[in-house]
Amino acid sequence: EDQVTQSPEALRLQEGESSSLNCSYTVSGLRGLFWYRQDPGKGPEFLFTLYSAGEEKEKERLKATLTKKESFLHITAPKPEDSATYLCAVQARTSGSRLTFGEGTQLTVNP
Amino acid sequence: SAVISQKPSRDICQRGTSLTIQCQVDSQVTMMFWYRQQPGQSLTLIATANQGSEATYESGFVIDKFPISRPNLTFSTLTVSNLSPEDSSIYLCSVEARPGANTEAFFGQGTRLTVV
Repeated sequence: EDQVTQSPEALRLQEGESSSLNCSYTVSGLRGLFWYRQDPGKGPEFLFTLYSAGEEKEKERLKATLTKKESFLHITAPKPEDSATYLCAVQARTSGSRLTFGEGTQLTVNP
Repeated sequence: SAVISQKPSRDICQRGTSLTIQCQVDSQVTMMFWYRQQPGQSLTLIATANQGSEATYESGFVIDKFPISRPNLTFSTLTVSNLSPEDSSIYLCSVEARPGANTEAFFGQGTRLTVV
């Protein structure tokens, strides 16, 4: 069974204080690992898909990396508008297009 | 990217009734997906809606409770039947896009259902 565990559950940062969110996964043949941002009352917003260990992708202040067991979402010099819940999901080669999500990390960036 | 419109955005329903949620995509897609996000929890796949065939349901979800229609390549509906307070959740429509070798999955804004 595919499993995704995100840590920490909640993270409070000061504006400009860089940090990382963790996504550990167990999957029978990874097709892709997805990162999303979700604001309250809205659907998840697609950020990245990573496919193989060693891959990195960047978008503004966010950088996602992938190993064989986990992914990190690095946030550099965050701003208050980066406050949101960040979700990680995996797609296995054997499960079609199903995404298995973690519980998310709720990020708060204080000015 | 795909633009997904869901209706309604929220509703309050009486127990025992049903709610039908509509999902419209701005481009033709082979598969559409319906997810549930229970309060304070993450997303769980309910079913995959295939055009021209019956939906494929995940373990724990049944057609009688969550009937799905997929009349064409841009539209789908999810009905939540015989509502109980435990059905209070956010229901989300999703589509997958494969530009080149990449895979991207997009979500609608969700329908927040409260059953009273």
